[in-house]
Amino acid sequence: DAGVIQSPRHEVTEMGQEVTLRCKPISGHDYLFWYRQTMMRGLELLIYFNNNVPIDDSGMPEDRFSAKMPNASFSTLKIQPSEPRDSAVYFCASSLGLNNEQFFGPGTRLTVL
Amino acid sequence: EDKVVQSPLSLVVHEGDTVTLNCSYEVTNFRSLLWYKQEKKAPTFLFMLTSSGIEKKSGRLSSILDKKELFSILNITATQTGDSAIYLCAVGTSYDKVIFGPGTSLSVIP
Repeated sequence: DAGVIQSPRHEVTEMGQEVTLRCKPISGHDYLFWYRQTMMRGLELLIYFNNNVPIDDSGMPEDRFSAKMPNASFSTLKIQPSEPRDSAVYFCASSLGLNNEQFFGPGTRLTVL
Repeated sequence: EDKVVQSPLSLVVHEGDTVTLNCSYEVTNFRSLLWYKQEKKAPTFLFMLTSSGIEKKSGRLSSILDKKELFSILNITATQTGDSAIYLCAVGTSYDKVIFGPGTSLSVIP
């Protein structure tokens, strides 16, 4: 397996634009997590899915953020409209269970100008 | 409120030193504690601990959990420059929560 795949790897956009980040989890993993990492706040869990269903979205900063998982092999994290404070590295991770090892993707480095 | 605290937040040691990283937690219905290493890229898994007093070991790294005192330690012996990284502690609960600590930034200098 190729591991967790994320795209794009880098994204530079202007304030106000819509940004969509994509993730393909490891096949057979039932859990998918979206994280945001910054120097100031460290690694923050935004939302996670179990069998394509969102379980906990309490970490989603505000209504500008939304995440979907239309099927077991694909998830998106959308920011609309984007703001400079959204600049961060966004990681997607998947695991077999909630308390199992999580396998992280390479991350998407987002810069909002 | 559930929380995970790590200490120290940063640490600089010389090659060959032994380091101990700490992770303490206050969560409802603890299930597991996981350690990750993050170099320049994404976090990678080190250990998962669910039972008190059982040491997990991998090469120069080892970890143990104390569920009574609510903490775990990660030991690295004979440190090498390749051990330089951020070490993250995460706690899973049975209430569908996974909480990461702020991490310890370890720098090993030659």
